[in-house]
Amino acid sequence: DAGVIQSPRHEVTEMGQEVTLRCKPISGHNSLFWYRQTMMRGLELLIYFNNNVPIDDSGMPEDRFSAKMPNASFSTLKIQPSEPRDSAVYFCASSRGVNTEAFFGQGTRLTVV
Amino acid sequence: SQQGEEDPQALSIQEGENATMNCSYKTSINNLQWYRQNSGRGLVHLILIRSNEREKHSGRLRVTLDTSKKSSSLLITASRAADTASYFCAMIGGGADGLTFGKGTHLIIQP
Repeated sequence: DAGVIQSPRHEVTEMGQEVTLRCKPISGHNSLFWYRQTMMRGLELLIYFNNNVPIDDSGMPEDRFSAKMPNASFSTLKIQPSEPRDSAVYFCASSRGVNTEAFFGQGTRLTVV
Repeated sequence: SQQGEEDPQALSIQEGENATMNCSYKTSINNLQWYRQNSGRGLVHLILIRSNEREKHSGRLRVTLDTSKKSSSLLITASRAADTASYFCAMIGGGADGLTFGKGTHLIIQP
């Protein structure tokens, strides 16, 4: 299995632009998590899906952030409009169930200038 | 939502020594997990301990869980330079909470 695949690995964008991060979970996993990691705030859970349905999005910072999971093999995290304070590494992870081990992608390093 | 807190924030030891990291949490949990993150990489799952377990081993790793004290510890025995990384505890609380992480312990193994 190729593991959790995230794209792009690096993204540099100008303030105000729309950013879309993509994630392909491991086949057969039915839980998917989006995290943001910064030095100041650590690893924050933004949203998680179970069977493609968003269960808890209380970690999404504000309305500029949105996440979708149109099917079991694909999810997106969109930021519109982006701001410099959104600069961080964004991780996607998947698991067989919410109470099992999670497998992480390599992350997307986002820089908003 | 639930979030663990690791202690210490940073730990530097000599190769061959044992490293102990602790995690405290606030509310009841289904299980507690430990992960490792090498610089610039994604997190890797190390071990999962269920709320009805008290101790678990995996190779050089030993994890304990004390639900009465709401704490867990991760022991790495006979440390190696390759163990240099950040270590995180993670947990799922009650209700619809997702898997949340503490801020981690940064472990440095001096050769």
